[in-house]
Amino acid sequence: DAGVIQSPRHEVTEMGQEVTLRCKPISGHNSLFWYRQTMMRGLELLIYFNNNVPIDDSGMPEDRFSAKMPNASFSTLKIQPSEPRDSAVYFCASSPAGGGYNEQFFGPGTRLTVL
Amino acid sequence: GQSLEQPSEVTAVEGAIVQINCTYQTSGFYGLSWYQQHDGGAPTFLSYNALDGLEETGRFSSFLSRSDSYGYLLLQELQMKDSASYFCAAGNTPLVFGKGTRLSVIA
Repeated sequence: DAGVIQSPRHEVTEMGQEVTLRCKPISGHNSLFWYRQTMMRGLELLIYFNNNVPIDDSGMPEDRFSAKMPNASFSTLKIQPSEPRDSAVYFCASSPAGGGYNEQFFGPGTRLTVL
Repeated sequence: GQSLEQPSEVTAVEGAIVQINCTYQTSGFYGLSWYQQHDGGAPTFLSYNALDGLEETGRFSSFLSRSDSYGYLLLQELQMKDSASYFCAAGNTPLVFGKGTRLSVIA
């Protein structure tokens, strides 16, 4: 099993540009989570999907952020326009159930730098 | 609201035992999980406690007391490779993570 796959692994962009992060969850997992990690704020949940349906997006910082899961094997997190304060490591994770009491499997993360 | 508190940093000697504590305030609590994250890496699952008591997995053990809203991760026979950040997480849906404890193992 390849695990959770994220791309790109590193992204450097300029303020105002659109950024799209991609995630392929583990096959058979029906929950998918997007997290953001910074030194100041720690690991924050942005949004999670269950069976491709967004369940809770209360962690999405503002309208500049959007996430989609068009099918069970693919999800995107888009930031438009990007700002320097969006610089962070973005993790995608998947789990075979709700994720509340089961193991979550994290991808390697995308390190985003917005100049 | 939901919150988990854990120490920000801990230092211990190779071969020793270290305990990382976690107190929590959450609604709809199901259990407590622990994750390990090495610098530059992704969090990886270590353990989960749904019931009170001690769960042992090799050198690592995790404890939960629901009445005290408290748990800990115990690492024995510390090795240099155990230097990492350790996160407790409340077993709600979704998980809520603590800010993490950075463990430094020194020779």
